[in-house]
Amino acid sequence: AQKVTQAQTEISVVEKEDVTLDCVYETRDTTYYLFWYKQPPSGELVFLIRRNSFDEQNEISGRYSWNFQKSTSSFNFTITASQVVDSAVYFCALSEVEEGGSEKLVFGKGMKLTVNP
Amino acid sequence: DSGVTQTPKHLITATGQRVTLRCSPRSGDLSVYWYQQSLDQGLQFLIQYYNGEERAKGNILERFSAQQFPDLHSELNLSSLELGDSALYFCASSEGLAGLNGELFFGEGSRLTVL
Repeated sequence: AQKVTQAQTEISVVEKEDVTLDCVYETRDTTYYLFWYKQPPSGELVFLIRRNSFDEQNEISGRYSWNFQKSTSSFNFTITASQVVDSAVYFCALSEVEEGGSEKLVFGKGMKLTVNP
Repeated sequence: DSGVTQTPKHLITATGQRVTLRCSPRSGDLSVYWYQQSLDQGLQFLIQYYNGEERAKGNILERFSAQQFPDLHSELNLSSLELGDSALYFCASSEGLAGLNGELFFGEGSRLTVL
C-alpha cells in the first residue's frame, strides 16, 4: 500500500524565518505524482504544486520551493521568509492508481504551521 | 474559487439521523471524489465516480452511500449518524478518469456536526 508520512505534526516559527516541511512517501509504482496542498483556517484545500516521478528538478515559486529526491523518497517543501498568512495546515499527497486506471490522492496527516508576528 | 460547489457548508444534526451532502463539479469535469477529514483520521478517501459510475472505493462505511447523477452532480448520503461521523466532507473533481496528471479541484467542504 502506498503511504505518505509527514513526521512533523506542528511547527511554530516567527515571521521571516525559513521553514521546511518534510514529506516521505512509499510506493511501488514507477509513475506517480506528488502534491502539496494548503488548508488555511477557513478550511478550503488549496493546490500548491504537482510533481511527476520523472521530473526531479527542484521548483521555486516566489517564497515557496520544493525539493524532490527520488533516492530518499522525499518531497520537501520550504517556505522562505515566512509570513503570518502562511499559517495553515499543509498536506503532502501521493497519487495512487486503482485497478481499472482510476487514481485517487492519498494524503499525509498534515502539518500545522503557525507563523507568529 | 475552484469551481466545485458543495452544499450545505455547515450541518448540525443528531445521532441516528440521515443527511445528504451535495457536490457540483467544475464544468466539464467527469470525475467526482469524496473525502472525509476528521481530527483523528486526517483526510480519508471515500469514493470516486466517473461519468455516473462508481470507479474507486476507499474507507467508506456501509452506512454511507453516494451517487453521481446524469448532470454529473454527486450526492453523499450518510445515515444512522454517529458522533464519530462529525467531520469535514470534501468533494473534488477532475476532468478525466485518471485526473491526477492534472489537478484535483476541491470544494470548500461541508462541515457535519453530529450531536
